[in-house]
Amino acid sequence: DAGITQSPRYKITETGRQVTLMCHQTWSHSYMFWYRQDLGHGLRLIYYSAAADITDKGEVPDGYVVSRSKTENFPLTLESATRSQTSVYFCASSEPTRTSGYTGELFFGEGSRLTVL
Amino acid sequence: GIQVEQSPPDLILQEGANSTLRCNFSDSVNNLQWFHQNPWGQLINLFYIPSGTKQNGRLSATTVATERYSLLYISSSQTTDSGVYFCAVEPYTDKLIFGTGTRLQVFP
Repeated sequence: DAGITQSPRYKITETGRQVTLMCHQTWSHSYMFWYRQDLGHGLRLIYYSAAADITDKGEVPDGYVVSRSKTENFPLTLESATRSQTSVYFCASSEPTRTSGYTGELFFGEGSRLTVL
Repeated sequence: GIQVEQSPPDLILQEGANSTLRCNFSDSVNNLQWFHQNPWGQLINLFYIPSGTKQNGRLSATTVATERYSLLYISSSQTTDSGVYFCAVEPYTDKLIFGTGTRLQVFP
């Protein structure tokens, strides 16, 4: 009963390198989300996906790429990491209902702390 | 866009005390959730509560959608309640927007 898991939990990389953060959920939720959390900015949506092969931009998508070939996986890739992408990244999933709004009840992974030197 | 304001920003309590956290929002919403981020960084969904009242143990929440606010009540606080409490709302025309949180510290 893992729920939603992220890997790696901690990552240190250098400017310009490509980094991929993995997210896997076992609930078969249709929606998946990537957020970043920074001091002074709270939680901000990077990208989200409504189903396999359907993704869309959130509030801060620049510098990130996502894909969703399978319902259970939603990797986030930083193609050329920058210091401003140092942050804690949270993956989340939900299964909206007819009355729950667009997002539905949201469940988070444990977070991935990324440091870009 | 919609504004989400949480108060107070910081709260310090002794174990056993009760507290009320408030979330005000500036527009109609069809989704409101409360989350607790513990000192280890985990984000836990406490309540999905677009309207009405819900209770879960020592925690309860009330949302008055027509007046655009929600309250989270913590009774008989424990040190494990420490962390940051976030309110998140979803306006009809946008995705979930998070407030800046209330940081709660409970001392023994």
